[in-house]
Amino acid sequence: GENVEQHPSTLSVQEGDSAVIKCTYSDSASNYFPWYKQELGKGPQLIIDIRSNVGEKKDQRIAVTLNKTAKHFSLHITETQPEDSAVYFCAASHEGAQKLVFGQGTRLTINP
Amino acid sequence: EADIYQTPRYLVIGTGKKITLECSQTMGHDKMYWYQQDPGMELHLIHYSYGVNSTEKGDLSSESTVSRIRTEHFPLTLESARPSHTSQYLCASTDSYYGYTFGSGTRLTVV
Repeated sequence: GENVEQHPSTLSVQEGDSAVIKCTYSDSASNYFPWYKQELGKGPQLIIDIRSNVGEKKDQRIAVTLNKTAKHFSLHITETQPEDSAVYFCAASHEGAQKLVFGQGTRLTINP
Repeated sequence: EADIYQTPRYLVIGTGKKITLECSQTMGHDKMYWYQQDPGMELHLIHYSYGVNSTEKGDLSSESTVSRIRTEHFPLTLESARPSHTSQYLCASTDSYYGYTFGSGTRLTVV
């Protein structure tokens, strides 16, 4: 079955700098890759997703890139702000959004 | 605004008690899921359902059970709670095109 590895497990950056979180997946048939943000005391919230027919997608300060050949995808956050501090999860699925396999999570801390 | 609701948000209960965690969604999604989240952050799938009267066990073995009698409702039951069941439980649903919508979770403590 699918296996998703996420790195790093913790990341600390200065406010205004960029943050990058990376994930690798094992199933070459995977075609859907969402990213989630979980704030303290809340459930994970979908922040951006990408499908296998696209190499990059942007939404304001966040972007996701996908390299199907290498089977990895990354989340990029630019101009980080304190409210970006949270736990981030990547996920992958070869059944659309039906059966997601999640990475282990990255705790991102933005230092003022 | 969340379209998937979990109750209660927090629950402290004694060992041996039977408990039911409620999850309801108003989006008409066929597919619903229960995850257990450990303090180390990881999400572990414990149950899922692809429609009414359809339930499956997930990747993490769990002593809990679920039912899906109505599309919008996916409750999780523990017949006899134990301290090892102390955890955060998250419910989610999807229309299969977009990623999951998660509820806010139930933090369960068994004493």
